[in-house]
Amino acid sequence: NAGVTQTPKFQVLKTGQSMTLQCAQDMNHEYMSWYRQDPGMGLRLIHYSVGAGITDQGEVPNGYNVSRSTTEDFPLRLLSAAPSQTSVYFCASCRGGTNEKLFFGSGTQLSVL
Amino acid sequence: RKEVEQDPGPFNVPEGATVAFNCTYSNSASQSFFWYRQDCRKEPKLLMSVYSSGNEDGRFTAQLNRASQYISLLIRDSKLSDSATYLCVVMTTDSWGKLQFGAGTQVVVTP
Repeated sequence: NAGVTQTPKFQVLKTGQSMTLQCAQDMNHEYMSWYRQDPGMGLRLIHYSVGAGITDQGEVPNGYNVSRSTTEDFPLRLLSAAPSQTSVYFCASCRGGTNEKLFFGSGTQLSVL
Repeated sequence: RKEVEQDPGPFNVPEGATVAFNCTYSNSASQSFFWYRQDCRKEPKLLMSVYSSGNEDGRFTAQLNRASQYISLLIRDSKLSDSATYLCVVMTTDSWGKLQFGAGTQVVVTP
């Protein structure tokens, strides 16, 4: 298993540009989520999905869009990038039961100029 | 070799007992260390930061050993509610402060 694959690893955008961060898992996990991590702060949940076709907002959803057309993929879209979205983004997945482990992708460092 | 490694467990612990486990990191320039508690479907919850002098929060004690490059977490008087996966997180010293995650250590507290 490749686990959770997240791309790209680095990205620089100009304000107003849009882009999609890709996340894929090959473990047949029901639950997938996107977090952002900023200096001095813990992980903050952006959006999550409990299964194909189902998504919901987390703590900081504004400026981001997600879809879950398949179990494997959970892309995160930045609609119109802003400097406040400069951050490190992590995708994660888990099977869905209680006390199950979260598996994290390797992260995307995003800079919005 | 992974940058942050943890024993996946599970550590099966009788209620009331003490359990301890470590997390090793390979980057000697690692700056900040954290223990998170995670449950599937929930946002990982910061349990405690780990300082060089060691720190304690109630029944939880964290230690950092820079010479041997590991951190530890000890849970005293285990409760059933302590059953979870404990995630070791290390922050590197580059300008982004990117987090490196361990794979998690599962703890199961039994009656």
